[in-house]
Amino acid sequence: QSALTQPRSVSGSPGQSVTISCTGTSNDIDYYEYVSWYQQHPGRAPRLLIYDVTKRPSGVPDRFSGSKSGNTASLTISGLQIEDESDYYCCSYAGSYTYVFGTGTTVTVL
Amino acid sequence: EVQLVESGGGLVQPGGSLRLSCEASGFVLGNHEMNWVRQSPGKGLEWLSYINAGGTKSHYTASVTGRFTVSRDNAKNSLYLQLNSLRVEDSAIYFCAREGGVAGFNFDLWGQGARVTVSS
Repeated sequence: QSALTQPRSVSGSPGQSVTISCTGTSNDIDYYEYVSWYQQHPGRAPRLLIYDVTKRPSGVPDRFSGSKSGNTASLTISGLQIEDESDYYCCSYAGSYTYVFGTGTTVTVL
Repeated sequence: EVQLVESGGGLVQPGGSLRLSCEASGFVLGNHEMNWVRQSPGKGLEWLSYINAGGTKSHYTASVTGRFTVSRDNAKNSLYLQLNSLRVEDSAIYFCAREGGVAGFNFDLWGQGARVTVSS
């Protein structure tokens, strides 16, 4: 199972919106409605931001949103804030109780 | 406080073994499916293994199948990962992660990680 493909980095100014893409295959993202997104600050454990493609756990700001089209999922951060500078990973269920993560994207706030 | 705490990491020679533990507190581990995820130095996250709530079903990524074994003791609120035949490329931080939500399929709680270094 190959890792899902994410851009290595994206950047934006405070207040702007950025979108991170996550490209998979017909065996994962395209087939299942189980895409999740995680934020990871350096030296910390990942934190769940989005699950089931579009749902936000309680406590996650509504400036984080998720979507999916075909074999590509996306995470959009609206109204970028300084504290959003971090690494972001997508993840998809891939069947038979297995999962695949994305390659990771570093978001830089200019 | 709801949390997961890993232990058992360390330095081991190639070919050696190690057993990682993940202790849950603040919730009943036996109500949740669990997973292990690792992160090599400077690299991304890699899903390793899954175990169902009762401990009767487990699955692994190809690179660790036959070498790593996941288990759990719900009475002790603990999850384990036995790492055998370790290779240099297994050096990583190993995280235990709880499947969350009604149906699962996401990881809503993570431990702080246990560092494993495989080196001669």
